[in-house]
Amino acid sequence: EVQLVESGGGLVQPGGSLRLSCAASGFTVSSNYMSWVRQAPGKGLEWVSVIYSGGSTYYADSVKGRFTISRHNSKNTLYLQMNSLRAEDTAVYYCARGGFVTAPGAFDIWGQGTMVTVSS
Amino acid sequence: EIVLTQSPGTLSLSPGERATLSCRASQSVSSSYLAWYQQKPGQAPRLLIYGASSRATGIPDRFSGSGSGTDFTLTISRLEPEDFAVYYCQQYGSSPRWTFGQGTKVEIK
Repeated sequence: EVQLVESGGGLVQPGGSLRLSCAASGFTVSSNYMSWVRQAPGKGLEWVSVIYSGGSTYYADSVKGRFTISRHNSKNTLYLQMNSLRAEDTAVYYCARGGFVTAPGAFDIWGQGTMVTVSS
Repeated sequence: EIVLTQSPGTLSLSPGERATLSCRASQSVSSSYLAWYQQKPGQAPRLLIYGASSRATGIPDRFSGSGSGTDFTLTISRLEPEDFAVYYCQQYGSSPRWTFGQGTKVEIK
């Protein structure tokens, strides 16, 4: 079964750090482009970051310089290292697979999400 | 930056009725890269439509997408009880690479 399972969310103080993980099964992370998308409580969806199969990475302006996306090929896992966290980073964080072949430009598989709360 | 504006914000309809959701872009969007998602409370988004009009795997044919340029539409031909949810449009383009509309809530009248 093709699925994504996120972990690593929690409560962190402003200025703190957190690393999210997204374990994939049923497909190979490194063969696809993978993204993180977040959703603040009661709000809409916001794209955060992408890593392409070739390793190129890109970020939304709101997180550039603070967040780092990476992957571990042998563990088939995607990561998001979040530093210098702010209250406005509070959200559910989803990892999602880019449907390069199945649905170009869209995200065809999503994880269940992990909640990050930034508060003192 | 391309901004996607969805309307209406909330659509109140009864089961069996037709739902028409709009997504307007601030500048022209490639139809190849316009998608629609459904999200229910406490759940992750689910891809419904990609390429403006292609249904994703397993999506019922009561869902259809259309449009080009700056105006796109998601139509649900006959609402089923499980279709009451929030719907988002999304485009892929230049930086930022993906943007979403603010969502349309389809609620039971």
